[in-house]
Amino acid sequence: DQQVKQNSPSLSVQEGRISILNCDYTNSMFDYFLWYKKYPAEGPTFLISISSIKDKNEDGRFTVFLNKSAKHLSLHIVPSQPGDSAVYFCAARRSSNYQLIWGAGTKLIIKP
Amino acid sequence: KAGVTQTPRYLIKTRGQQVTLSCSPISGHRSVSWYQQTPGQGLQFLFEYFSETQRNKGNFPGRFSGRQFSNSRSEMNVSTLELGDSALYLCASSPGDRGGADTQYFGPGTRLTVL
Repeated sequence: DQQVKQNSPSLSVQEGRISILNCDYTNSMFDYFLWYKKYPAEGPTFLISISSIKDKNEDGRFTVFLNKSAKHLSLHIVPSQPGDSAVYFCAARRSSNYQLIWGAGTKLIIKP
Repeated sequence: KAGVTQTPRYLIKTRGQQVTLSCSPISGHRSVSWYQQTPGQGLQFLFEYFSETQRNKGNFPGRFSGRQFSNSRSEMNVSTLELGDSALYLCASSPGDRGGADTQYFGPGTRLTVL
């Protein structure tokens, strides 16, 4: 049972435009969501997170939106830069359980 | 603060052997989680240790085991290696006591190749 889904295996975006990565979840008990970025042969790097009491969190070029009724979150990157080319994972948890549940990842390719 | 370190970075073993991987968390972090990543796959959760106790466990066979020491360093052991165990093994540390906001920070991983 895949509780966190990233349905787009890959996404290609022109440099300077907006990149939108999507993530859906099925467990309504999840109350904290995180996005990570991963380059090949490296460990994931934490990007941004959001609590279920918020619907938006912003950090520089990165903004995460949470729609609890739709059980959907998205990561917006504006403007997209070549260094943003990586695999992006979303993850979720219940505050009472420290285990993170991960999506399968979306490979973002920024075209020059 | 120094980041999460994992040793060794690369390892080549043959089927049937066993292997031990090591992870040193960020200073002050008491939780260590282990993940397996195979080509084209996401992160598969192995287990999590907090204050020397296994707090969470994924769906891996008993050949995969771990432990955590009093200084929070952790080791993962895989016995009777199979070809399918070839993967990048990632370790992540976190404070372990901050509820939902308990952010995990990853090490560079250990690339295990089983021949």
